[in-house]
Formats: sequence, structure tokens, C-alpha cells
Amino acid sequence: EDKVVQSPLSLVVHEGDTVTLNCSYEVTNFRSLLWYKQEKKAPTFLFMLTSSGIEKKSGRLSSILDKKELFSILNITATQTGDSAVYLCAVEDPLGEYGNKLVFGAGTILRVKS
Amino acid sequence: DTEVTQTPKHLVMGMTNKKSLKCEQHMGHRAMYWYKQKAKKPPELMFVYSYEKLSINESVPSRFSPECPNSSLLNLHLHALQPEDSALYLCASSQEGGHEQFFGPGTRLTVL
Repeated sequence: EDKVVQSPLSLVVHEGDTVTLNCSYEVTNFRSLLWYKQEKKAPTFLFMLTSSGIEKKSGRLSSILDKKELFSILNITATQTGDSAVYLCAVEDPLGEYGNKLVFGAGTILRVKS
Repeated sequence: DTEVTQTPKHLVMGMTNKKSLKCEQHMGHRAMYWYKQKAKKPPELMFVYSYEKLSINESVPSRFSPECPNSSLLNLHLHALQPEDSALYLCASSQEGGHEQFFGPGTRLTVL
């Protein structure tokens, strides 16, 4: 059975801190790993990673994938209160022409205090 | 248009009611999805539609009935639901062969 495990489950930091969120996975068919941010409602897409060792960066957020060790990390530097959210890691199981299936981890709840 | 829309935003229904959730996207995506998300849990896949045909049903009870009238619309018909079906129902879409799924804002469903 496909499994995605995120750690820590929750985290409280102060503004300006740097945080690292972890995601490990065991899946039968792997095509990509995705990070989403979820505030009140819909998850919003952050990054998609397909290759090991290539860092993806967007502003203060960055992420990297290790396909040998089956994990990914999401870094957030100089955190702000607006970064408070649930961060979801998902692994893509391709369904060929039928689309794809995302298997989500339980998420990391990040709270940034001012 | 780069968004997925869902209606209604909130729905309260009794166990004997019949209601429908609607989802729409105009990004030309050919795969559409229904997810169920309980409080403090990740989204769980319910159904996948590809080219307007149901391709995946993740063993969802028959009281949930999906429908894809055309490539832009996805419905979820609800009948005889149970209180434990109360959840956030998310719709998503993706390109053919695409990786990331784009999510709608969800419908918060409460079953009394």
C-alpha cells in the first residue's frame, strides 16, 4: 500500500525563523512528488519534483527530492505569519491516460507567531 | 481562466435529502477528480474522470454518485448520506499526462 509520511505533524515558530518540513514515501509507481499549502480551503500548488538533487525555489520557499532515500524536504526561510498553514506532501501515482492519483501525507501544521 | 470553481460553498442536508455538488473548470483539463477531506486529515481520492469517463472509483459507497456531463463540468450527486459523510469535498483537475492537480475551494458539507 502506498504511504506518505510527513514530519513533524505540527510546528510553532517565531517570525524570521527557518523551518524544514520532511516527507518520506513508499509507493509502487512514482512519477513526481508535490508540495501543497492549505489554509482555510483548497490546497494551493507549491512545487513539483521529479528528479533527485535539483532544488526548486520560489521566493523564501525551496524544496529538494532524494529518490534514492525516498524523501523530500521543504524549507521556508525568514518565516512570516502568512506562512501559517498546513503543508501537504503528495506523491503522484500515474494512471496513464486516466490522469493521475495523488497520495497525500497527513500534513504538517505550521504556525508562525509574530 | 485558471481556476476551478465549486458550488455551493456550504451545504447542510438531512439524511433523506438528495443534493448535488458542482464543479467547473475552463482550463481544458481532461482529468477531473473528487476528493473528500475530513477535519485535520489529508484529502482522500474518491473518483477520477478522464475524458468524461469514470476511470477510478476508490470503493466509494453508492450513496455518492458522480457524473461528468461534459469536459468542463463534474457533479457529485448525494443521496441518503450519513452524518459521518460530513466533510470538505474538493474537486480538482489536471492536464492529460499532467502532474499537478488544481483544486477548487471545496464544498463544506454537513449531514444532520
